[in-house]
Amino acid sequence: GAVVSQHPSWVICKSGTSVKIECRSLDFQATTMFWYRQFPKQSLMLMATSNEGSKATYEQGVEKDKFLINHASLTLSTLTVTSAHPEDSSFYICSAVPWGGADNYGYTFGSGTRLTVV
Amino acid sequence: KNEVEQSPQNLTAQEGEFITINCSYSVGISALHWLQQHPGGGIVSLFMLSSGKKKHGRLIATINIQEKHSSLHITASHPRDSAVYICAVRGSSGDKLTFGTGTRLAVRP
Repeated sequence: GAVVSQHPSWVICKSGTSVKIECRSLDFQATTMFWYRQFPKQSLMLMATSNEGSKATYEQGVEKDKFLINHASLTLSTLTVTSAHPEDSSFYICSAVPWGGADNYGYTFGSGTRLTVV
Repeated sequence: KNEVEQSPQNLTAQEGEFITINCSYSVGISALHWLQQHPGGGIVSLFMLSSGKKKHGRLIATINIQEKHSSLHITASHPRDSAVYICAVRGSSGDKLTFGTGTRLAVRP
């Protein structure tokens, strides 16, 4: 089945530094990648949608300069949290839609990254 | 009011019990998804439904489009079924999902 590899699975960083999270589709081409943030015991909150080769579309209230998303190829999308602060500590997870669309193939989720900013 | 409502929010069951989780939505959809989130955070897609009923092992998912309602059933529940179950709907256009708040299931041995 389709697999999305997300790493790191957890990261601790110092306040003010940047952290990059990668999502890679291993056996399919992902035309669309969604990036979510999840607070404890809450549901997923969509941050942005990225399509290969074009700029990401950010949801209202999400700072595009803080959360940089790059979808440089059909198998790799990255989220960089720039100048991280403790309030950015959260669980981040991606999901990919294969070429052929969600109608036919649904969504494949990464395993998530737990970010702690100290 | 959320566009996707799930009930119950929390559920504790004894091993072997039959479990039902409900999902109601208020928007037009092209598909409804049931997802399972394990304690470590990873999410697995269980079902994608646009009509009728689907079965996979001990899991059964049904949807009633007219009533805007879906149910996820687990037969002969097992402690390994303990997870958060999330209902998500995809609208009539685009690929964005709208998520329910999840149902936290604990199955006791």
